[in-house]
Amino acid sequence: ETGVTQSPTHLIKTRGQQVTLRCSSQSGHNTVSWYQQALGQGPQFIFQYYREEENGRGNFPPRFSGLQFPNYSSELNVNALELDDSALYLCASSLAEQGLGDEQFFGPGTRLTVL
Amino acid sequence: DQQVKQNSPSLSVQEGRISILNCDYTNSMFDYFLWYKKYPAEGPTFLISISSIKDKNEDGRFTVFLNKSAKHLSLHIVPSQPGDSAVYFCAAFSGTYKYIFGTGTRLKVLA
Repeated sequence: ETGVTQSPTHLIKTRGQQVTLRCSSQSGHNTVSWYQQALGQGPQFIFQYYREEENGRGNFPPRFSGLQFPNYSSELNVNALELDDSALYLCASSLAEQGLGDEQFFGPGTRLTVL
Repeated sequence: DQQVKQNSPSLSVQEGRISILNCDYTNSMFDYFLWYKKYPAEGPTFLISISSIKDKNEDGRFTVFLNKSAKHLSLHIVPSQPGDSAVYFCAAFSGTYKYIFGTGTRLKVLA
Protein backbone atom coordinates (compact mmCIF):
# COMPACT_ATOMS: atom_id res chain seq x y z
CA GLU A 1 0.00 0.00 0.00
CA THR A 2 1.51 3.33 -1.05
CA GLY A 3 0.94 6.39 1.06
CA VAL A 4 -0.01 9.90 0.05
CA THR A 5 2.67 11.63 -2.00
CA GLN A 6 3.06 15.26 -2.96
CA SER A 7 5.21 17.09 -5.49
CA PRO A 8 7.26 19.12 -5.56
CA THR A 9 8.79 19.09 -2.09
CA HIS A 10 9.85 22.72 -2.24
CA LEU A 11 8.97 25.54 -4.58
CA ILE A 12 9.96 29.20 -4.88
CA LYS A 13 7.79 31.62 -6.82
CA THR A 14 7.47 35.38 -7.11
CA ARG A 15 4.46 37.55 -6.40
CA GLY A 16 1.83 37.47 -9.13
CA GLN A 17 2.88 34.10 -10.51
CA GLN A 18 0.73 31.00 -10.65
CA VAL A 19 1.55 27.62 -9.08
CA THR A 20 0.25 24.06 -9.35
CA LEU A 21 0.85 21.59 -6.54
CA ARG A 22 0.20 17.89 -7.00
CA CYS A 23 -0.97 15.10 -4.75
CA SER A 24 -1.37 11.39 -5.24
CA SER A 25 -3.86 9.87 -2.83
CA GLN A 26 -3.85 6.37 -1.45
CA SER A 27 -5.48 3.95 -3.85
CA GLY A 28 -9.21 3.69 -3.28
CA HIS A 29 -9.49 6.98 -1.39
CA ASN A 30 -12.25 8.99 -3.01
CA THR A 31 -11.95 12.05 -0.79
CA VAL A 32 -9.04 14.48 -0.87
CA SER A 33 -8.61 17.65 1.15
CA TRP A 34 -6.06 20.42 0.83
CA TYR A 35 -4.70 22.45 3.72
CA GLN A 36 -2.46 25.47 4.14
CA GLN A 37 -0.19 25.47 7.18
CA ALA A 38 1.53 28.75 7.94
CA LEU A 39 4.52 28.79 10.27
CA GLY A 40 3.47 28.19 13.88
CA GLN A 41 -0.14 27.50 12.94
CA GLY A 42 -2.28 24.44 12.48
CA PRO A 43 -3.41 23.27 9.05
CA GLN A 44 -6.18 25.44 7.61
CA PHE A 45 -8.78 23.76 5.43
CA ILE A 46 -8.78 25.05 1.85
CA PHE A 47 -11.22 22.69 0.14
CA GLN A 48 -12.24 19.09 -0.26
CA TYR A 49 -13.04 16.98 -3.30
CA TYR A 50 -15.13 13.85 -3.42
CA ARG A 51 -15.33 11.85 -6.64
CA GLU A 52 -13.95 14.81 -8.64
CA GLU A 53 -16.49 17.34 -7.31
CA GLU A 54 -15.74 20.09 -4.81
CA ASN A 55 -17.41 19.06 -1.59
CA GLY A 56 -16.63 21.89 0.80
CA ARG A 57 -14.52 25.00 0.95
CA GLY A 58 -12.82 26.95 3.69
CA ASN A 59 -12.27 30.68 3.91
CA PHE A 60 -9.96 31.00 0.90
CA PRO A 61 -10.43 33.27 -2.15
CA PRO A 62 -11.34 31.93 -5.61
CA ARG A 63 -7.73 32.21 -6.79
CA PHE A 64 -7.25 28.95 -4.88
CA SER A 65 -8.74 26.24 -7.06
CA GLY A 66 -8.44 22.50 -7.37
CA LEU A 67 -9.00 19.45 -9.45
CA GLN A 68 -9.38 15.78 -8.62
CA PHE A 69 -8.79 13.08 -11.22
CA PRO A 70 -10.17 9.54 -11.52
CA ASN A 71 -6.71 8.04 -10.86
CA TYR A 72 -6.71 9.34 -7.24
CA SER A 73 -4.46 12.28 -8.06
CA SER A 74 -5.37 15.90 -7.45
CA GLU A 75 -4.04 19.41 -7.94
CA LEU A 76 -4.11 22.66 -6.03
CA ASN A 77 -3.75 25.77 -8.21
CA VAL A 78 -3.05 29.20 -6.83
CA ASN A 79 -3.20 32.24 -9.10
CA ALA A 80 -1.80 35.72 -8.53
CA LEU A 81 0.47 34.58 -5.71
CA GLU A 82 0.84 36.85 -2.70
CA LEU A 83 3.59 36.91 -0.08
CA ASP A 84 1.15 35.55 2.52
CA ASP A 85 0.67 32.43 0.41
CA SER A 86 4.08 31.25 1.63
CA ALA A 87 3.28 28.14 3.66
CA LEU A 88 3.36 24.36 3.78
CA TYR A 89 0.56 22.91 1.65
CA LEU A 90 -0.74 19.54 2.74
CA CYS A 91 -3.08 17.17 1.02
CA ALA A 92 -4.92 14.45 2.85
CA SER A 93 -6.97 11.57 1.54
CA SER A 94 -9.58 9.40 3.19
CA LEU A 95 -11.91 6.54 2.45
CA ALA A 96 -14.88 8.25 4.01
CA GLU A 97 -17.72 9.14 1.72
CA GLN A 98 -17.84 12.90 1.49
CA GLY A 99 -15.37 13.18 4.31
CA LEU A 100 -17.54 12.11 7.20
CA GLY A 101 -15.00 12.78 9.89
CA ASP A 102 -12.96 9.70 9.18
CA GLU A 103 -9.23 9.31 9.54
CA GLN A 104 -7.29 11.29 6.96
CA PHE A 105 -3.89 10.27 5.62
CA PHE A 106 -1.62 13.23 5.03
CA GLY A 107 1.17 13.66 2.55
CA PRO A 108 4.49 15.24 3.59
CA GLY A 109 3.54 18.60 2.11
CA THR A 110 4.93 21.09 -0.39
CA ARG A 111 6.78 24.06 1.04
CA LEU A 112 5.91 27.11 -1.08
CA THR A 113 7.91 30.32 -0.73
CA VAL A 114 6.66 33.46 -2.45
CA LEU A 115 9.22 36.23 -2.89
CA ASP B 1 -11.91 33.60 15.00
CA GLN B 2 -10.22 30.46 16.31
CA GLN B 3 -12.86 27.76 16.70
CA VAL B 4 -10.37 25.19 18.00
CA LYS B 5 -7.76 26.32 20.49
CA GLN B 6 -4.71 24.67 21.97
CA ASN B 7 -3.58 27.17 24.57
CA SER B 8 -0.32 25.49 25.49
CA PRO B 9 2.25 25.90 22.73
CA SER B 10 4.65 23.52 24.44
CA LEU B 11 4.84 20.87 27.15
CA SER B 12 7.77 18.98 28.69
CA VAL B 13 7.27 15.71 30.51
CA GLN B 14 9.61 13.15 32.03
CA GLU B 15 9.77 9.74 30.38
CA GLY B 16 7.34 7.33 32.01
CA ARG B 17 5.05 10.06 33.33
CA ILE B 18 1.67 11.12 31.95
CA SER B 19 1.39 13.74 29.20
CA ILE B 20 -1.88 15.67 29.07
CA LEU B 21 -2.59 17.81 26.04
CA ASN B 22 -5.64 20.04 26.05
CA CYS B 23 -7.92 21.44 23.39
CA ASP B 24 -10.95 23.74 23.59
CA TYR B 25 -13.56 24.41 20.95
CA THR B 26 -16.33 26.92 20.57
CA ASN B 27 -18.81 25.43 18.11
CA SER B 28 -21.28 22.85 19.40
CA MET B 29 -21.90 21.68 15.82
CA PHE B 30 -18.66 19.70 15.80
CA ASP B 31 -19.52 16.02 15.98
CA TYR B 32 -16.16 14.33 15.69
CA PHE B 33 -12.76 15.10 17.18
CA LEU B 34 -9.34 13.80 16.22
CA TRP B 35 -5.76 14.03 17.41
CA TYR B 36 -2.81 14.06 15.03
CA LYS B 37 0.91 13.85 15.67
CA LYS B 38 3.42 15.60 13.44
CA TYR B 39 7.15 15.05 13.18
CA PRO B 40 9.36 17.57 11.35
CA ALA B 41 9.33 17.23 7.54
CA GLU B 42 6.37 14.83 7.67
CA GLY B 43 2.65 15.26 7.32
CA PRO B 44 0.42 14.82 10.38
CA THR B 45 -0.40 11.21 11.26
CA PHE B 46 -3.67 10.17 12.83
CA LEU B 47 -3.54 9.10 16.47
CA ILE B 48 -6.99 8.71 17.92
CA SER B 49 -10.50 10.07 17.52
CA ILE B 50 -13.73 10.39 19.44
CA SER B 51 -17.32 10.86 18.42
CA SER B 52 -19.32 13.58 20.14
CA ILE B 53 -21.66 10.94 21.55
CA LYS B 54 -18.86 9.45 23.65
CA ASP B 55 -16.83 10.86 26.50
CA LYS B 56 -13.79 8.59 26.33
CA ASN B 57 -11.88 6.56 23.80
CA GLU B 58 -8.79 4.52 24.54
CA ASP B 59 -6.15 3.02 22.27
CA GLY B 60 -3.12 1.57 23.98
CA ARG B 61 -1.17 4.33 25.70
CA PHE B 62 -3.47 7.01 24.25
CA THR B 63 -6.79 8.08 25.73
CA VAL B 64 -8.95 10.96 24.60
CA PHE B 65 -11.54 12.50 26.91
CA LEU B 66 -14.38 14.70 25.73
CA ASN B 67 -16.32 17.07 27.98
CA LYS B 68 -19.10 18.43 25.79
CA SER B 69 -20.55 20.76 28.39
CA ALA B 70 -17.17 22.45 28.76
CA LYS B 71 -16.36 22.11 25.05
CA HIS B 72 -13.05 20.63 26.03
CA LEU B 73 -11.08 17.57 25.04
CA SER B 74 -7.81 16.20 26.24
CA LEU B 75 -5.30 13.60 25.10
CA HIS B 76 -3.57 11.52 27.75
CA ILE B 77 -0.40 9.63 26.92
CA VAL B 78 0.76 7.20 29.56
CA PRO B 79 3.50 6.24 29.96
CA SER B 80 5.19 8.92 27.86
CA GLN B 81 8.14 7.82 25.75
CA PRO B 82 10.88 9.88 24.05
CA GLY B 83 9.48 8.83 20.66
CA ASP B 84 6.28 10.68 21.55
CA SER B 85 8.13 13.98 21.20
CA ALA B 86 6.33 15.77 18.37
CA VAL B 87 3.76 18.46 17.68
CA TYR B 88 0.22 17.37 18.50
CA PHE B 89 -2.80 18.86 16.76
CA CYS B 90 -6.39 18.46 17.77
CA ALA B 91 -8.99 18.78 15.04
CA ALA B 92 -12.76 19.08 15.09
CA PHE B 93 -15.04 17.96 12.29
CA SER B 94 -18.49 18.97 11.16
CA GLY B 95 -20.27 18.53 7.85
CA THR B 96 -20.35 22.29 7.42
CA TYR B 97 -16.83 23.26 8.42
CA LYS B 98 -15.06 20.00 7.61
CA TYR B 99 -11.86 19.83 9.66
CA ILE B 100 -10.76 22.71 11.87
CA PHE B 101 -7.32 22.29 13.42
CA GLY B 102 -5.85 23.85 16.52
CA THR B 103 -2.45 25.53 16.46
CA GLY B 104 -0.65 22.57 17.98
CA THR B 105 1.24 21.73 21.17
CA ARG B 106 4.89 20.74 21.00
CA LEU B 107 5.49 17.84 23.38
CA LYS B 108 8.99 17.05 24.56
CA VAL B 109 9.48 13.85 26.52
CA LEU B 110 12.70 13.96 28.49
CA ALA B 111 14.69 10.75 28.93
